[in-house]
Amino acid sequence: AQSVTQPDIHITVSEGASLELRCNYSYGATPYLFWYVQSPGQGLQLLLKYFSGDTLVQGIKGFEAEFKRSQSSFNLRKPSVHWSDAAEYFCAVGARAGGTSYGKLTFGQGTILTVHP
Amino acid sequence: DAGVIQSPRHEVTEMGQEVTLRCKPISGHDYLFWYRQTMMRGLELLIYFNNNVPIDDSGMPEDRFSAKMPNASFSTLKIQPSEPRDSAVYFCASSPRQGGTGYTFGSGTRLTVV
Repeated sequence: AQSVTQPDIHITVSEGASLELRCNYSYGATPYLFWYVQSPGQGLQLLLKYFSGDTLVQGIKGFEAEFKRSQSSFNLRKPSVHWSDAAEYFCAVGARAGGTSYGKLTFGQGTILTVHP
Repeated sequence: DAGVIQSPRHEVTEMGQEVTLRCKPISGHDYLFWYRQTMMRGLELLIYFNNNVPIDDSGMPEDRFSAKMPNASFSTLKIQPSEPRDSAVYFCASSPRQGGTGYTFGSGTRLTVV
């Protein structure tokens, strides 16, 4: 079964600083990988996804993530954080066709981002 | 497209009462998922459907919970009887054809059982 670990429960950065949120996954093959963002009182919004090909993927709101197979990681980055980026961020993994849990995503516990002015 | 629509947005009910949460997925999406979110347990998958058929209900906490999808445009999650520990935000999400395309989430239903 697939699993996702987000090691950082809470991260605080200053506005304008760079950001990296960590995500490690466990899966028997190359999975589908996603990052979602959740603002308070809202549902989850898809930031970006990795299926195959280029291991550096670009998403909305200036975010990017890099898939590193050797490290089983899919870290989210942003070069300059804005106050509006304060939210909770979730990494998720999905099984490819033929996997026993095909069709379902498994989410990490989330990382809360606080942005200081 | 209006996205995934959940109703109600907020529900406050007394312990022992029946609660029904509703979800309308995006038209054409084959998969529908029900998640529960709490501070303690994070996001938990309760059940998911493919083409209206329940595929995996192993996350349903107990027999008090039931979910149905009578057609491609509607699903319900029912709790009977409700208990205070069921208080959470319940999300519905849908995805097209294959899970690898990612989900679209609804805005959630915040359930409070007093």
